[in-house]
Amino acid sequence: GQNIDQPTEMTATEGAIVQINCTYQTSGFNGLFWYQQHAGEAPTFLSYNVLDGLEEKGRFSSFLSRSKGYSYLLLKELQMKDSASYLCAVREGDYKLSFGAGTTVTVRA
Amino acid sequence: IAGITQAPTSQILAAGRRMTLRCTQDMRHNAMYWYRQDLGLGLRLIHYSNTAGTTGKGEVPDGYSVSRANTDDFPLTLASAVPSQTSVYFCASSEGRQGSDEQFFGPGTRLTVL
Repeated sequence: GQNIDQPTEMTATEGAIVQINCTYQTSGFNGLFWYQQHAGEAPTFLSYNVLDGLEEKGRFSSFLSRSKGYSYLLLKELQMKDSASYLCAVREGDYKLSFGAGTTVTVRA
Repeated sequence: IAGITQAPTSQILAAGRRMTLRCTQDMRHNAMYWYRQDLGLGLRLIHYSNTAGTTGKGEVPDGYSVSRANTDDFPLTLASAVPSQTSVYFCASSEGRQGSDEQFFGPGTRLTVL
């Protein structure tokens, strides 16, 4: 199984950059995912990393280091609508995921 | 296209009662999943199905059962509900392939067991 750690809460100002770290321990790594979840809503897919390096998708980027068991999600040019929980999830083996507890990001004006 | 739907939206249930949460997807996805989400604990996998006719246990399967008679439907049954099963339940589906096998989540069912 996995042990997935991410900070509980982060606060940042509109227009700023925030980096959400995720560390994990797994016996059979097969991909790392980030999901966004607004309060009272379902999670939605943001990014996927399976090889080391940076994946960029608009204002969001995700980084992976398999040797360190480490990933981060970078949110640039923060907007109020980015206030949400961000979930780090690791796939070990077939298709199912193990999720971290999530990081709640609050964007202030 | 509805994607993935769940019913009911919310339910208050007396302890000891039997309850089935329904989940239907119209994306012809092979894999389906049931999670519960509790404050501070994140999403935890209850049961999953990689393809119709097969099911598997997740991280917290006790007290729950599932069936996968066809591709579209994946009901979750609580045989005898207990207060610790009060939670928000999310159903999800994915194509069931390697690579970026994105999971699509339903809107959730908020269940309260008294």
